[in-house]
Amino acid sequence: AQSVTQLGSHVSVSEGALVLLRCNYSSSVPPYLFWYVQYPNQGLQLLLKYTSAATLVKGINGFEAEFKKSETSFHLTKPSAHMSDAAEYFCAVSQGAQKLVFGQGTRLTINP
Amino acid sequence: GAGVSQSPSNKVTEKGKDVELRCDPISGHTALYWYRQSLGQGLEFLIYFQGNSAPDKSGLPSDRFSAERTGGSVSTLTIQRTQQEDSAVYLCASSPWTGPTGELFFGEGSRLTVL
Repeated sequence: AQSVTQLGSHVSVSEGALVLLRCNYSSSVPPYLFWYVQYPNQGLQLLLKYTSAATLVKGINGFEAEFKKSETSFHLTKPSAHMSDAAEYFCAVSQGAQKLVFGQGTRLTINP
Repeated sequence: GAGVSQSPSNKVTEKGKDVELRCDPISGHTALYWYRQSLGQGLEFLIYFQGNSAPDKSGLPSDRFSAERTGGSVSTLTIQRTQQEDSAVYLCASSPWTGPTGELFFGEGSRLTVL
């Protein structure tokens, strides 16, 4: 069965610094991978997804992620953090055709 | 256009009581999902509905949990004889796609507290 592991339940960066949120997956088949973001008191929103086309995927709000098969990773990055990026971020893998398996989430804090 | 709507947004109940949580998906979305979000546990899949097909109930944690979807639209998640460990945020999502790469659209969730 597919699964994802997010390294670090809490990441704190300064405004303007690089954001790096780590996700490793386990899958016996080529995976479909996703990053979702959850702002306080809101539902989850899709940031970006990997569907076996380009390995570097660009998403909304300046985020991007790179699929690395050799490292079984799909880390999320943003070159320069903004205060509005403070949220919880979830990595997910598609398990079969109908459901996503989510990681435990990483809470991102931005320091002014 | 309206997004996924969930009610109630907050529910406090006593141990042993039954609760019903409601989800109104985006109009026209054939797929509907329920997830449970517990503190520090990420999102746990509960159940999936797709059109008129039999639901995938593989994530329901016990027989106290059940869900139905009427007319291919509104869904109700029922928890019988609630326990304290049922306290969590219950998230509903819908999608217009049937394949593995489709985006899920989430509601804001129903926060359940069992005293």
